[in-house]
Amino acid sequence: QIQLVQSGAEVRRPGSSVNVSCKASGGTFSSHTITWVRQAPGQGLEWMGRIIPILGTINHAQKFLGRLTITADRSTSTAYMEMSSLTSEDTAVYYCARVRRNGLDVWGQGTTVIVSS
Amino acid sequence: DIQMTQSPSSLSTSVGDRVTITCQASQDISKYLNWYQQKPGRAPKLLIYDASNLQSGVPSRFSGSGSGTDFTLTITSLQPEDLATYYCQQYENLPLTFGQGTRLDIK
Repeated sequence: QIQLVQSGAEVRRPGSSVNVSCKASGGTFSSHTITWVRQAPGQGLEWMGRIIPILGTINHAQKFLGRLTITADRSTSTAYMEMSSLTSEDTAVYYCARVRRNGLDVWGQGTTVIVSS
Repeated sequence: DIQMTQSPSSLSTSVGDRVTITCQASQDISKYLNWYQQKPGRAPKLLIYDASNLQSGVPSRFSGSGSGTDFTLTITSLQPEDLATYYCQQYENLPLTFGQGTRLDIK
């Protein structure tokens, strides 16, 4: 059974960047889509973007255009989410998730990103 | 963007209760709706996909129905481990959007 293992918690200064990785363990990305979702403290779920590694297709939510970069390395079955120009509003738990049968069926454990001066 | 509105936002329940959560889309999304359960400090878990299909391993007391703009998640005979926050999510269009969540707690 595939698992998605994310990189550890990060603390960043406002204006800096953060890079979060998501590695498939016990399997590969195969033809699946990998989605990034974030959750601010005490808030709901927010879709950020997705990548289809086998096609190289990438889509972002409009609000993140220009400061969100999603990539994937098929050789290591690892996806990456990099966000720049961080503000305190970006403090959240960031999740990667696999799309299967149109549902997000396997999730990473989440990566806490704290943006604070 | 398609707006997803859940009701209620929170619900006080008792073990054994039948629970119904509704989700309304701002436009027709056919059957392109999923339901998730999230417990504190944990990642969400897929319960229902395509509006009414039970994800493998999910107990049969969970069920989903609806199409178009109105959808329902039902839990028959609530169990203690079902206390969590539930989210609907549409995938008819990008960006994927979620409802604001419905939190279940003990009465």
